[in-house]
Amino acid sequence: AQSVSQHNHHVILSEAASLELGCNYSYGGTVNLFWYVQYPGQHLQLLLKYFSGDPLVKGIKGFEAEFIKSKFSFNLRKPSVQWSDTAEYFCAVSVYSGAGSYQLTFGKGTKLSVIP
Amino acid sequence: EAQVTQNPRYLITVTGKKLTVTCSQNMNHEYMSWYRQDPGLGLRQIYYSMNVEVTDKGDVPEGYKVSRKEKRNFPLILESPSPNQTSLYFCASSPLPPGASAYNEQFFGPGTRLTVL
Repeated sequence: AQSVSQHNHHVILSEAASLELGCNYSYGGTVNLFWYVQYPGQHLQLLLKYFSGDPLVKGIKGFEAEFIKSKFSFNLRKPSVQWSDTAEYFCAVSVYSGAGSYQLTFGKGTKLSVIP
Repeated sequence: EAQVTQNPRYLITVTGKKLTVTCSQNMNHEYMSWYRQDPGLGLRQIYYSMNVEVTDKGDVPEGYKVSRKEKRNFPLILESPSPNQTSLYFCASSPLPPGASAYNEQFFGPGTRLTVL
């Protein structure tokens, strides 16, 4: 079975600092990768996704992520964070489970606090 | 209005008393799934369904059942709830599964906060 590890439980940054959140997965086959964000009191929102092609993917709100297959990693980055980026971030991997369907597995999440 | 609805929103029950949390979507989505969210553990998929009468186990299916008799409904059943099933539960739907290249988003319900005493 696949699993997802997010290295940082809580990250605290000042505004304008650069962000990198780590994500590693374990699965020997083809995966699809996602980053989601959950703002306080809200549902999960998809930030970006990787299926194939260019390993550097750009998402909404200035976020990007790089898929490094050899390291089984999909780290999330943002050059300059804002206070409004304060949220919890979840890395996720989907794996084909047959009959056209996919199982989705999330990491435990990383809380980001941005100090004005 | 396109939405995913869940009922009840809050439920306090006792160990062993069967309960059902309903989930309904009005967007004709194929893929539906149930998650539980616990502090420090993130979201964990319980069950998912690609179509009517097709359901699959997620990462934490023990103690839960689901059914998909109609495309719009995907109830979560706890036959004999236990305190370790106290959690926040989310139902979600999407037109495509999270692996299809055109997949963009899952629509989440408002959540059901369940407490099992």
